[in-house]
Amino acid sequence: NAGVTQTPKFQVLKTGQSMTLQCAQDMNHNSMYWYRQDPGMGLRLIYYSASEGTTDKGEVPNGYNVSRLNKREFSLRLESAAPSQTSVYFCASHPGANEKLFFGSGTQLSVL
Amino acid sequence: GNSVTQMEGPVTLSEEAFLTINCTYTATGYPSLFWYVQYPGEGLQLLLKATKADDKGSNKGFEATYRKETTSFHLEKGSVQVSDSAVYFCALVPFSGNTPLVFGKGTRLSVIA
Repeated sequence: NAGVTQTPKFQVLKTGQSMTLQCAQDMNHNSMYWYRQDPGMGLRLIYYSASEGTTDKGEVPNGYNVSRLNKREFSLRLESAAPSQTSVYFCASHPGANEKLFFGSGTQLSVL
Repeated sequence: GNSVTQMEGPVTLSEEAFLTINCTYTATGYPSLFWYVQYPGEGLQLLLKATKADDKGSNKGFEATYRKETTSFHLEKGSVQVSDSAVYFCALVPFSGNTPLVFGKGTRLSVIA
C-alpha cells in the first residue's frame, strides 16, 4: 500500500510565485491534515479536513488555501510565496478518533 | 485550550544509557496521548499511544504511562541504541475525536556509540 503520497519532495520558489502541494491517501480515511515543521517550533497545523467537502483553519492558515478535491486528495496552495513559508510540509491522514496519524514523507520548500 | 509541553533538547546520551523525555499536557476532558518519532529525512510515525488514565503504551523497548493526576506522559527506555537517534514528539487528541492532534515541539535525541 502506498499510504500517504506527497508531491513534490523538493521545491524552490521565488518570492511571489505560486504553487500547489499535492497529497493523496489510499486508505479511505475521512480526515486529512497539512502541517508545517520549522526548527524549534515542532509541527504546526495549517489546515485540516475532517471529511470530504469540509475544510477548517488550523493554527497558522495565513498565506495558504486548501482544497479537498475528493476523499483521497487534499491539496495545499501558496498563492504568493514568501520567505517565511520556507519550511518542511507534511500531509497526514487519520482514520478516526484515538487512531494514529499516517504521514507523508514531506515536502522541503524554499522560498528565496 | 489544549497544549503539550515537552522537554527541550537536544538530548545526547551514550549507548545503553537510560532515557527519559518529559511530556506534560493541558486538555479538557480525557484526551488520548501519543508519542511519535521522526527519523532523519522521514515523516513522523507512531511510536506508542495510551487512550485512558493508567494505560501504558509500549513499543520497541520504549514505554510511557498515562498519568492523569500529574497530566504527564513521559517517554522512557532502559537502554538506548544509536538507531534510536531521532526527534520525538508528544501529542494529544482531545476527547471529542475529530479535533486534530496537538503536538509538542519535539525533542531531538542523539545516541553516541
